[in-house]
Amino acid sequence: EIVLTQSPATLSLSPGKRATLSCRASQSISTYVAWYQQKPGQAPRLLIYEASNRATGIPARFSGSGSGTDFTLTISSLEPEDFAVYYCQQRRNWPITFGQGTRLEIK
Amino acid sequence: EVQLLESGGGLVQPGGFLRLSCAASGFTFRSYGMTWVRQAPGKGLEWVSGITDSGGSTFYTDSVKGRFTISRDNSKNTLYLQMNSLRAEDTAVYYCAKFDVSGSYNYFDYWGQGALVTVSS
Repeated sequence: EIVLTQSPATLSLSPGKRATLSCRASQSISTYVAWYQQKPGQAPRLLIYEASNRATGIPARFSGSGSGTDFTLTISSLEPEDFAVYYCQQRRNWPITFGQGTRLEIK
Repeated sequence: EVQLLESGGGLVQPGGFLRLSCAASGFTFRSYGMTWVRQAPGKGLEWVSGITDSGGSTFYTDSVKGRFTISRDNSKNTLYLQMNSLRAEDTAVYYCAKFDVSGSYNYFDYWGQGALVTVSS
């Protein structure tokens, strides 16, 4: 099973700042990575797929990068609605696995 | 508009069983793989099971193999998760989700609102 480790566990930033979230895989997963955003009481929302492609309707301030074992989700300038929990997910191999999440909170 | 509506959640005793359903609309259900993802209270996301568009192949995480069965009825646009021998650690919100590309089984672009399953005596 491929283990995804996200860092940091919690990130405290102010609106307007740049956020950088990391996801590291226990083995190479090429670019088979997605990022999801989840707000309290809501289902997750797909942000990025295939490491760097924005999903439909996702604002341009969200971007993804990386390949192999190291991946990054960047939010260029935080909006109030961006404060949430973010998960990475891999589908290089079965079983599909998620990272443990990064909580992005308002500083 | 794509909609996924889960039902069948509730309180069940350890060792009991439950069947979740997910009614799909707004897309050609028979053309897409589907999946179940769960989230224990206050915890992260855990993928549980997936099924191909035809239903011919199914996949499970190790902790549910032999206890859970995923299936689908393409004539009814409905996905199912039969859960047997339930344990306290199966307590979670169960989401059904759609794989994003027809014939591909990588990412989840639409999610239901979730169904709460509580396993407790």
